Amino acid sequence: GDSVTQMEGPVTLSEEAFLTINCTYTATGYPSLFWYVQYPGEGLQLLLKATKADDKGSNKGFEATYRKETTSFHLEKGSVQVSDSAVYFCAQNYGGSQGNLIFGKGTKLSVKP
Amino acid sequence: EAQVTQNPRYLITVTGKKLTVTCSQNMNHEYMSWYRQDPGLGLRQIYYSMNVEVTDKGDVPEGYKVSRKEKRNFPLILESPSPNQTSLYFCASSLSNMNTEAFFGQGTRLTVV
Repeated sequence: GDSVTQMEGPVTLSEEAFLTINCTYTATGYPSLFWYVQYPGEGLQLLLKATKADDKGSNKGFEATYRKETTSFHLEKGSVQVSDSAVYFCAQNYGGSQGNLIFGKGTKLSVKP
Repeated sequence: EAQVTQNPRYLITVTGKKLTVTCSQNMNHEYMSWYRQDPGLGLRQIYYSMNVEVTDKGDVPEGYKVSRKEKRNFPLILESPSPNQTSLYFCASSLSNMNTEAFFGQGTRLTVV
């Protein structure tokens, strides 16, 4: 069935380091892809999204490109900050009768000063 | 302010004592859903609703009920809670089931003893 696989955490980086969190998906259709972020004690917030192949989503210095050929949607940021410490979830949604978001298991990022 | 509001935020209860977690959204969204978040498993959908009086099972519906009598409200009901329902629960809403951003509540941490 449809699924999302993202790299296991936790990931610990120093401030200003480069971040990559890998995400791949399997889907029978052509889903939209999302990255959500969960800060401690809060619900999930949409970070960025892409709805078709080759689209690039970007927000707050984060970017991800929808790669249909490699079924990937890797999250990147050139210079992380302590305030980026959170859990990041990759997700897909193709709509369909159920229309639910299918999430990866989440990657916890800790950024040290 | 656009938001999804869940109550309570924290709940400790005993096995078999019926409980309801409320969820309300103020964005006039048609699609609402409930997820549970467990360590190592990510988020899994419990139930969803396409519109008023239209609800259906998600991936892990056993032991739960929902209702959608009004567009804004989507309560989650545990008729006879068991310890394996100890989890972090999130309500979410979106304009539709198709490729649109989901807005999440802040979560309800439930412990069943």
